Amino acid sequence: EAGVAQSPRYKIIEKRQSVAFWCNPISGHATLYWYQQILGQGPKLLIQFQNNGVVDDSQLPKDRFSAERLKGVDSTLKIQPAKLEDSAVYLCASSLRASGALSYNEQFFGPGTRLTVL
Amino acid sequence: RKEVEQDPGPFNVPEGATVAFNCTYSNSASQSFFWYRQDCRKEPKLLMSVYSSGNEDGRFTAQLNRASQYISLLIRDSKLSDSATYLCVVSPTSGTYKYIFGTGTRLKVLA
Repeated sequence: EAGVAQSPRYKIIEKRQSVAFWCNPISGHATLYWYQQILGQGPKLLIQFQNNGVVDDSQLPKDRFSAERLKGVDSTLKIQPAKLEDSAVYLCASSLRASGALSYNEQFFGPGTRLTVL
Repeated sequence: RKEVEQDPGPFNVPEGATVAFNCTYSNSASQSFFWYRQDCRKEPKLLMSVYSSGNEDGRFTAQLNRASQYISLLIRDSKLSDSATYLCVVSPTSGTYKYIFGTGTRLKVLA
């Protein structure tokens, strides 16, 4: 079974530029998550989708970050304009769903996109 | 106070040693608990879920203490391949399984 796919794997941009990341979850997974992981810290949830609807975006800096999952499958996360403090690894994860039995809720992570903002 | 706290380490232990990590959480209503493992420059992967009664998977044992609001991970007979960062995960609400990660505890097993 294919895992969570993300691209690009690495991105270097200058501050104030824009950048977009792409994620394709495991087939059949209804729930998709975007996390930001700054060096030395644990992942921090940015946004959670259930199919194509947003479940939680309380920690998404909406003045510069946006995300969509239009068809309920793959998703893009955009930063516009980027700041130095956005340098981090952006992880996408998916789960069968985010309710019910514990076994349905294991989150599987993609390899991440490492963003460097200069 | 952080929602989930872990000692970042590093814990340097010799092969064959037993090592234990604790993780404390602030929300007493938290419902689900996990340990994830993250290798350097890799994505986190589920190591084990933590059940109220405690659970064991080979050399790994996880415990939950709701009264004191902490979970623990015990690794027996440490292997070089156990070297990684161990992330504590707490899901504070029922129904949505939002994950809150600790900062991780770094383990290095020495030959």
